[in-house]
Amino acid sequence: AQSVTQPDIHITVSEGASLELRCNYSYGATPYLFWYVQSPGQGLQLLLKYFSGDTLVQGIKGFEAEFKRSQSSFNLRKPSVHWSDAAEYFCAVDPSGNTGKLIFGQGTTLQVKP
Amino acid sequence: DAGVIQSPRHEVTEMGQEVTLRCKPISGHDYLFWYRQTMMRGLELLIYFNNNVPIDDSGMPEDRFSAKMPNASFSTLKIQPSEPRDSAVYFCASSLSGRETQYFGPGTRLLVL
Repeated sequence: AQSVTQPDIHITVSEGASLELRCNYSYGATPYLFWYVQSPGQGLQLLLKYFSGDTLVQGIKGFEAEFKRSQSSFNLRKPSVHWSDAAEYFCAVDPSGNTGKLIFGQGTTLQVKP
Repeated sequence: DAGVIQSPRHEVTEMGQEVTLRCKPISGHDYLFWYRQTMMRGLELLIYFNNNVPIDDSGMPEDRFSAKMPNASFSTLKIQPSEPRDSAVYFCASSLSGRETQYFGPGTRLLVL
């Protein structure tokens, strides 16, 4: 079945440490890929997206993600985490590529230790 | 622009009552999406509109749910009658096109007792 998997439900990192959040998808063709962030009590905000081209995508707030076709993955990274990065992170795909019909992963909650 | 506006922000109602959630998309955006977020099922797309026309409502859970978009600046999601399992956060989002960034509203937190 088509799906988006975020294997880590909860991650805790120390402030200043590096971060990698995993995302895997199971769709035949390369879908459009997204990472969103949700702060408590807020709506979702787009961090970055991948449609085609360079497989390393830069986003806002110092985040980047790398698309790896062979692994069907789109992992999110940040070299140095700030306390304000504590939030829930969602990976999403648009299998059709242009409808906006997003399928979201279950989310990863990031906790940042001082 | 003020962003996507949703009202009410919180709604508490009793089982069997009608609930209406409202959304004002960003001006000029042609696409509007309704999502539901629960702990059990995560974030699910319920329905989306293009130029005020419903395109895909396959995510609407059952006939108790209905959505309308009478004009480009307003949409409603109605639940009638409401049930406790409808308790969730409902988000509205809008975008310029199907492949452009979706901008989310702050959500409506619904509790059905």
